[in-house]
Amino acid sequence: GDSVTQMEGPVTLSEEAFLTINCTYTATGYPSLFWYVQYPGEGLQLLLKATKADDKGSNKGFEATYRKETTSFHLEKGSVQVSDSAVYFCALRRGSGNTGKLIFGQGTTLQVKP
Amino acid sequence: SAVISQKPSRDICQRGTSLTIQCQVDSQVTMMFWYRQQPGQSLTLIATANQGSEATYESGFVIDKFPISRPNLTFSTLTVSNMSPEDSSIYLCSVGLAGNNEQFFGPGTRLTVL
Repeated sequence: GDSVTQMEGPVTLSEEAFLTINCTYTATGYPSLFWYVQYPGEGLQLLLKATKADDKGSNKGFEATYRKETTSFHLEKGSVQVSDSAVYFCALRRGSGNTGKLIFGQGTTLQVKP
Repeated sequence: SAVISQKPSRDICQRGTSLTIQCQVDSQVTMMFWYRQQPGQSLTLIATANQGSEATYESGFVIDKFPISRPNLTFSTLTVSNMSPEDSSIYLCSVGLAGNNEQFFGPGTRLTVL
């Protein structure tokens, strides 16, 4: 069945460091891919998305490129801030529109120190 | 986007009791989803709730344990029945909007079962 695998955390970085959180997926066809973020004490928020191969999603300085050939959707940010400390979830959804269920990775905790 | 509220935000319950969680959306939506996030783990879909039809449950979840109501296009409830400590989780309501490839999440209900 469909699945999402993320790099294990926690990831601890100093402020202004470069961030990569790896995400790979297994799915038939062409799923849509998402990164969600959960800040401490808050609900889940969509960070960025990509719906087809080679699409790049971006938001708040974060980027991720849909790589069909490597079935990956790695999250990157050039310079992290303390306020980026959160749990990041990679997810996929098969099918168009919003009717399919989301399948989440296990989440990666990011801690950014000043 | 959609604004989603859940009640209660948290609760502590005794083993063997039941809790009903409410989800209210500020716009009419066709599909609503209920997810569970167990401590330190990722999100797992419990069921999909469409207005006017029976909820569709994922493998491992049954209606007797997690009955769902969907009386109209802006509201749904999830009941966690005959609770045990293993039911301690965050329960999240999610919706998809027509013509939008995103799903939006409520703030979650943090349930602790003693």
